[in-house]
Amino acid sequence: DADVTQTPRNRITKTGKRIMLECSQTKGHDRMYWYRQDPGLGLQLIYYSFDVKDINKGEISDGYSVSRQAQAKFSLSLESAIPNQTALYFCATSAPTSGGYNEQFFGPGTRLTVL
Amino acid sequence: KNQVEQSPQSLIILEGKNCTLQCNYTVSPFSNLRWYKQDTGRGPVSLTIMTFSENTKSNGRYTATLDADTKQSSLHITASQLSDSASYICVVSRTGNQFYFGTGTSLTVIP
Repeated sequence: DADVTQTPRNRITKTGKRIMLECSQTKGHDRMYWYRQDPGLGLQLIYYSFDVKDINKGEISDGYSVSRQAQAKFSLSLESAIPNQTALYFCATSAPTSGGYNEQFFGPGTRLTVL
Repeated sequence: KNQVEQSPQSLIILEGKNCTLQCNYTVSPFSNLRWYKQDTGRGPVSLTIMTFSENTKSNGRYTATLDADTKQSSLHITASQLSDSASYICVVSRTGNQFYFGTGTSLTVIP
């Protein structure tokens, strides 16, 4: 089974609809992240959470909200979807390690299309 | 400003040939540098990671180098295969668990 799973994998929705993307992990990591990826651009950080009670905005958080329901679950919501939120969304996890070997593990991605 | 720049943006090579991808960064304080491979429509998967004290790391046909003084890294792919066609992303981590992503190099290997 995959360590980081995302649901749904694909979603087509209409402008103005509320959408929730879900992420679950079995790696036991405290830190979870949501990124979006647009063609030709690097991954951009939307929100991140270092533990269940810690939520932080990333560089492009406007129009998004998140919920950390448990250590293993981190959901991303688009309150009122708009077409320029059409993108590939990735969830990632990481754990602090000694020696500088912190690593992010990514889910398979959710392709979201807003019409 | 903390930035990661990759070159070239895209690259097409013949199967069996070698290639080298470049990554320059200004991220500070530096923790580690990782190269990821991302197949189309999939999540990035780690290839190599290097900390400040390491200047080369290999993973099969992939060899990464790091020059922490000039803040440059390269990823060398030897004897390319069709399955190497993907986007290769350089990610630099700051101490404190912050990650900075390059925009990637799109590699296409043709028969």
